[in-house]
Amino acid sequence: EIVLTQSPGTLSLSPGERATLSCRTSQSVSSNYLAWYQQKPGQAPRLLIYGASSRATGIPDRFSGSGSGTDFTLTISRLEPEDFAVYYCQQYDNSLLTFGPGTKVDIK
Amino acid sequence: QVTLRESGPALVKPTQTLTVTCTFSGFSLTVSGMCVTWIRQPPGKALEWLARIEWDDDKFYNTSLKTRLTISKDTSKNQVVLTMTNMDPVDTATYYCARGCKAGHYWGQGTLVTVSS
Repeated sequence: EIVLTQSPGTLSLSPGERATLSCRTSQSVSSNYLAWYQQKPGQAPRLLIYGASSRATGIPDRFSGSGSGTDFTLTISRLEPEDFAVYYCQQYDNSLLTFGPGTKVDIK
Repeated sequence: QVTLRESGPALVKPTQTLTVTCTFSGFSLTVSGMCVTWIRQPPGKALEWLARIEWDDDKFYNTSLKTRLTISKDTSKNQVVLTMTNMDPVDTATYYCARGCKAGHYWGQGTLVTVSS
């Protein structure tokens, strides 16, 4: 089973700043099968990025995904107040899915 | 418009079997490439993938929970059902269903299931 590691655990930033979140996988993952989600308290996760770099429907272009192999990155170019949340990466391999432990982006 | 809604008991006792139902609209699980997935999240913790059922009735399970899980679909009712046997307090979580095979593009709001005697 592929294990996902996310860093940092918590990212403290101010609105307007750039956020860079990392997701590492224990084995190489096809870029087609890496996704990122945003989750706010009391809400279901929302898909942001799939296929490592494709934005889901309705996702603002300040969110971007990149990476390949075992290293993937979610970048939020300029944080808006509504972007403070927990972010999860997720991979699909051999018909099974696994999630990372999450990165919390909070207000500095 | 795609919607999914989870339903099930709010409270189950240890050793009991949990049955949660996902009722969806806006798509058909008979269409090639469609899947419904179950994910859970214990309070304050990370997401955990549980199972997936595909349009052709293929089923896939979390390796660690495989012996306890069964997923099924009723295409005439647009429903997917997940059962989990031998429930334990550590299974207390919000249970979500989502549409998607390799990623969850649409999610329900989740249903909180507490396991306690």
